[in-house]
Amino acid sequence: DMKVTQMPRYLIKRMGENVLLECGQDMSHETMYWYRQDPGLGLQLIYISYDVDSNSEGDIPKGYRVSRKKREHFSLILDSAKTNQTSVYFCASSWGGGTGQLYFGEGSKLTVL
Amino acid sequence: GDQVEQSPSALSLHEGTGSALRCNFTTTMRAVQWFRKNSRGSLINLFYLASGTKENGRLKSAFDSKERYSTLHIRDAQLEDSGTYFCAAEDDSGYNKLTFGKGTVLLVSP
Repeated sequence: DMKVTQMPRYLIKRMGENVLLECGQDMSHETMYWYRQDPGLGLQLIYISYDVDSNSEGDIPKGYRVSRKKREHFSLILDSAKTNQTSVYFCASSWGGGTGQLYFGEGSKLTVL
Repeated sequence: GDQVEQSPSALSLHEGTGSALRCNFTTTMRAVQWFRKNSRGSLINLFYLASGTKENGRLKSAFDSKERYSTLHIRDAQLEDSGTYFCAAEDDSGYNKLTFGKGTVLLVSP
């Protein structure tokens, strides 16, 4: 159905807690991405994954890690959340071999208190 | 500096009018995409261009890699066109990286 699904859509955590954001896609796309969006900054790339267990840092990877054990799933993990990681996180996917058209999930709004 | 400079940052239109959004690039880009963030927060892909122009309904986009810019034209604006528009450009590095503009907040009023 050409869909990128993010869970959860909304999450509130305390500083120092662990955070797991999950993303799934049903298009067998090779490449998946995690972005965060903050007001006035557009979207910033956190991590990119070219396929299972083939992940690369984006522009702002510090404080994050990712996991891709299946092509259709890409997880973003914050091991000890910080207040400045409050943001809206977007997952996206595309065919490999060049970016091609990106398909985005609906976003996950994370608040770290 | 930013590789992708998007303008204007905000735009107000009356229904039925039109305008253009623009992204300038500081380096050669291989392709550009335009997105709209809808009321639910999702990013909807409007166009993907590696060159030339594309048109879809009341929207038209152009990309000139050599001149380092892309535009998104909106004509006959409708209330439902309101939202935040982003351009995103892919450079020549081959690492599937997109750099996003900071967005244009469009408000269409009656």
